Amino acid sequence: QVQLVESGGGVVQPGRSLRLSCAASGFSFSNYGIHWVRQAPGKGLEWVAVVWHDETRKHYVDSVKGRFTISRDISKSTLYLQMNSLRAEDTALYYCVRHVQDLRDAFDIWGQGTMVTVSS
Amino acid sequence: DIRMTQSPSSVSASVGDRVTITCRASQGISNWLAWYQQKPGKAPKLLIYAASSLQSGVPSRFSGSGSGTDFTLTISSLQPEDFATYYCQQANSWTFGQGTKVEIK
Repeated sequence: QVQLVESGGGVVQPGRSLRLSCAASGFSFSNYGIHWVRQAPGKGLEWVAVVWHDETRKHYVDSVKGRFTISRDISKSTLYLQMNSLRAEDTALYYCVRHVQDLRDAFDIWGQGTMVTVSS
Repeated sequence: DIRMTQSPSSVSASVGDRVTITCRASQGISNWLAWYQQKPGKAPKLLIYAASSLQSGVPSRFSGSGSGTDFTLTISSLQPEDFATYYCQQANSWTFGQGTKVEIK
């Protein structure tokens, strides 16, 4: 079964750090670009970051540049998002998502999400 | 950055109605556009990719059209399970529209 399972969310104070993980299974992890997409409570979807299948490219939304780092461990089929200097506006449900080049880079597999709450 | 603008932000419709949602890109994106459906408490689901290609397993009442800057998602005959929020996304730099909520009239 093709799936992505996120973990690592929680409640954290402003300025602190958190690392999210996303475990992939059922497909060849090294062949796909993987993204993080977030959704603040009651709000729409916001793309956050991507790492290319071969890690040659990484991109971030402007609001997290310099604070968040996306990475992947091929041997563990796991994606990470290291989040530093967290702000209240980073509070959201974070989804791990696969994009497929054959589908014009559309996102075909989504995890169930992990909630991050930044609050004092 | 490419901005995506959806309209309307919400629509009230009845079962059996034809519903059309529009998405406009701030610059041309060819057919690098996808549509997603999200139900409350669930992750989004891919409906349409490459502007008009139906994802496997998605009912044929869903269709997409457009190229360049203007795109549409059409539900030909709204079913009870279609009440949800719909998002467009440009696949050049992956930004989403703000969403369109389809509600029961």
